[in-house]
Amino acid sequence: SQTIHQWPATLVQPVGSPLSLECTVEGTSNPNLYWYRQAAGRGLQLLFYSVGIGQISSEVPQNLSASRPQDRQFILSSKKLLLSDSGFYLCAWSDTVAVYGYTFGSGTRLTVV
Amino acid sequence: QKEVEQNSGPLSVPEGAIASLNCTYSDRVSQSFFWYRQYSGKSPELIMSIYSNGDKEDGRFTAQLNKASQYVSLLIRDSQPSDSATYLCAGAGYSTLTFGKGTMLLVSP
Repeated sequence: SQTIHQWPATLVQPVGSPLSLECTVEGTSNPNLYWYRQAAGRGLQLLFYSVGIGQISSEVPQNLSASRPQDRQFILSSKKLLLSDSGFYLCAWSDTVAVYGYTFGSGTRLTVV
Repeated sequence: QKEVEQNSGPLSVPEGAIASLNCTYSDRVSQSFFWYRQYSGKSPELIMSIYSNGDKEDGRFTAQLNKASQYVSLLIRDSQPSDSATYLCAGAGYSTLTFGKGTMLLVSP
């Protein structure tokens, strides 16, 4: 069966520090991968998605970036965090056409101080 | 019009009652629809999917889709306090799912 791993679970970072969040999927090949952010009391905001290695689509302009160095690995990064980057970051995967929807990782709670 | 809209709630129902959660969508998300449950502080969990007009039942959950009215609903029968959560509606667009902001459901004992 497929599983998705996301870490760390919580993170407190100072303003201006770098960020790296990692997500890996097991039990499937060539998944579509997604990064979402959920700010307090707000909906899910799609940040990036990827349909293959090295293929990244950005949905919102911001100081975040994403990379997909391997088929089942998706990384969210920032060179300098802002206070507004605080939120709940969720990685998700789906099959090519998302027939069965998305499966989410357990999420990372990021607090920028 | 936003692509997927939900009433933010909270929707309060007593234990044992039927909870009805609703969602409307635009033309850009009109293929497949999904309902997710999200407990506070946790990630969303897929509970129902529906692809064609009509009803789909799974245990205490029934999803309803009406493409003519661009309307999706989720009925939870015999609501339990453990059903208290935020329910997200999502529609499949051209390349990604679009999520509504969610409806908070509170089931009182």
